[in-house]
Amino acid sequence: DTGVSQDPRHKITKRGQNVTFRCDPISEHNRLYWYRQTLGQGPEFLTYFQNEAQLEKSRLLSDRFSAERPKGSFSTLEIQRTEQGDSAMYLCASSLAGARETQYFGPGTRLLVL
Amino acid sequence: RKEVEQDPGPFNVPEGATVAFNCTYSNSASQSFFWYRQDCRKEPKLLMSVYSSGNEDGRFTAQLNRASQYISLLIRDSKLSDSATYLCVVNAHTGGFKTIFGAGTRLFVKA
Repeated sequence: DTGVSQDPRHKITKRGQNVTFRCDPISEHNRLYWYRQTLGQGPEFLTYFQNEAQLEKSRLLSDRFSAERPKGSFSTLEIQRTEQGDSAMYLCASSLAGARETQYFGPGTRLLVL
Repeated sequence: RKEVEQDPGPFNVPEGATVAFNCTYSNSASQSFFWYRQDCRKEPKLLMSVYSSGNEDGRFTAQLNRASQYISLLIRDSKLSDSATYLCVVNAHTGGFKTIFGAGTRLFVKA
């Protein structure tokens, strides 16, 4: 399967714990995006990378959230000191930068904070 | 006002019906537009890009009106398998790059 993959698919954690999610984009894609989606809403943009550079960060991304893409391939999203409000689906997407850029999504990581 | 607005529905239609979804966006610098489909508890999947000239893919037709900042999706001859949430997506390059999703319109096609 050459699509976007995410790991883990599900994560249950207790409030205050740290969690880390991984995203592997489509191999030739240079852009990688993280989104958060809650029930009944569309995905909300969190951050994106072009190669290894983090170019945009949403105001939604508090200082408890950090994302990296160290070698311009896979990316990690870490949430420190999780809160119940962090419970959501975390989606990763990748794309090839260009005029007709199209994002392709991974299956998501569903986070539940107890 | 949300940057991308959609009628949340739900739209309940019989098989074979024609259904139209609308989407408005507020950022006049928006540059590219898409419709995605999302099934329950799954990731969004690209349905089609939306071009200024309008475009068609089988039973699906997308239109863009830049002057009115309005995007539409028409589904003809609805199938049961079309039941899903349809997300309107806008990319804008204004002092940075932004991708904004609408909240989605739910469609139920019934036999």
